[in-house]
Amino acid sequence: DVKVTQSSRYLVKRTGEKVFLECVQDMDHENMFWYRQDPGLGLRLIYFSYDVKMKEKGDIPEGYSVSREKKERFSLILESASTNQTSMYLCASSRTASYNEQFFGPGTRLTVL
Amino acid sequence: GIQVEQSPPDLILQEGANSTLRCNFSDSVNNLQWFHQNPWGQLINLFYIPSGTKQNGRLSATTVATERYSLLYISSSQTTDSGVYFCAVDKASGAGSYQLTFGKGTKLSVIP
Repeated sequence: DVKVTQSSRYLVKRTGEKVFLECVQDMDHENMFWYRQDPGLGLRLIYFSYDVKMKEKGDIPEGYSVSREKKERFSLILESASTNQTSMYLCASSRTASYNEQFFGPGTRLTVL
Repeated sequence: GIQVEQSPPDLILQEGANSTLRCNFSDSVNNLQWFHQNPWGQLINLFYIPSGTKQNGRLSATTVATERYSLLYISSSQTTDSGVYFCAVDKASGAGSYQLTFGKGTKLSVIP
């Protein structure tokens, strides 16, 4: 079974802090994704990566950056957290572009005070 | 971009009843997935079904790619089936073809 893990289930940070969300997958997948989910807005893609050190912007990249130094790990960075980044963050991975069945981690509920 | 519409938005069922959830999409797709989001927020994979029919226990799904819709069938519903069901697709090719576009979901409540 594919397993995608995220570093925290719940996180509380203060405005202006730098926040790191970590995601690890154990199936040697090429692609990894970061989404956020908000009531009324659904799931929206922030960034994705199709290879080590490669990244592409999704629909809402502003205020975020990402890092993929190893194939199994994809980090989402909030450079200076703001209250409008309070959300549920979901990481996903998939094998290839042509076989893009995505598997999700348990999610991180981030609250920025 | 590709549009995904799910219906109905809300559904209340008595335990033991059957139901059909629908997903319409506006363009050719490479991938179509059905997910169940549990009360803790995790998305559980139900089906990867860009075309054809699949069954897994009490759940089955059918995608008719040429007519751009997919159906999720739940038979003999149980209270543990409660939650939100999402359909998600990606484009067949071109820019953004990795990205899953999600529908707004169907919120299912199964009452004893």
